[in-house]
Amino acid sequence: EVQLVESGGGLVQPGGSLRLSCAGSGFTLSNYWVHWVRQAPGKGLVWISRMNQDGGIISYVDSVKGRFTISRDNAKNKIYLQMNSLTDDDTAVYYCAVAASGWWGWGQGTLVTVSS
Amino acid sequence: DIVMTQSPQSLAVSLGERATINCKSSQSVLYTANNNNYLAWFQQKPGQPPKLLIYWASIRESGVSDRFSGSGSETDFTLTINSLQAEDVAVYYCLQYSRSPHTFGQGTKLEIK
Repeated sequence: EVQLVESGGGLVQPGGSLRLSCAGSGFTLSNYWVHWVRQAPGKGLVWISRMNQDGGIISYVDSVKGRFTISRDNAKNKIYLQMNSLTDDDTAVYYCAVAASGWWGWGQGTLVTVSS
Repeated sequence: DIVMTQSPQSLAVSLGERATINCKSSQSVLYTANNNNYLAWFQQKPGQPPKLLIYWASIRESGVSDRFSGSGSETDFTLTINSLQAEDVAVYYCLQYSRSPHTFGQGTKLEIK
């Protein structure tokens, strides 16, 4: 069974940085695209980034380009999201997801709160 | 960017009746090389992560009730829930993963009438 567990969320001041991690188990990460999706309180889902199996293809939504960096360690079955220059608008639950052949698996999410 | 527009935004259906949710994309999400529509449907209940229901527009995820079905192609898609049960109360989202940035619909809130 595919399991994904996010960590690293918390309270951070505007302008600060945070690194989210996502640990996968029950599958081989190297076979999957990896994604990050976020959901602001009471709002809908927003896709923010993806990376293909070998890291050769990386994409971001415009609102995080230049501030967020996605990465992966296939040997450790881990996915990361480095978030810099955080603003109030980045407050959300952040989900990691894996996808292959149309199928999507999700983590439980980690809350990031940007506030002074 | 591909814009995904869901309708209605909210829906109240009686128990045992059918619920229909629509999703329209601003560009085709059909990849002709493999004839797959890069469209998925998710169910999200309060405090929970999204749950995959349908992928490739019409393929039901393993373990999902056969009351859920997906249809459509290119730009117009439908999620149908037959014989509505209380446990189906949730917000439903469509997602296109044809092009980057991937984009979700705004969500449809399904309630019991």
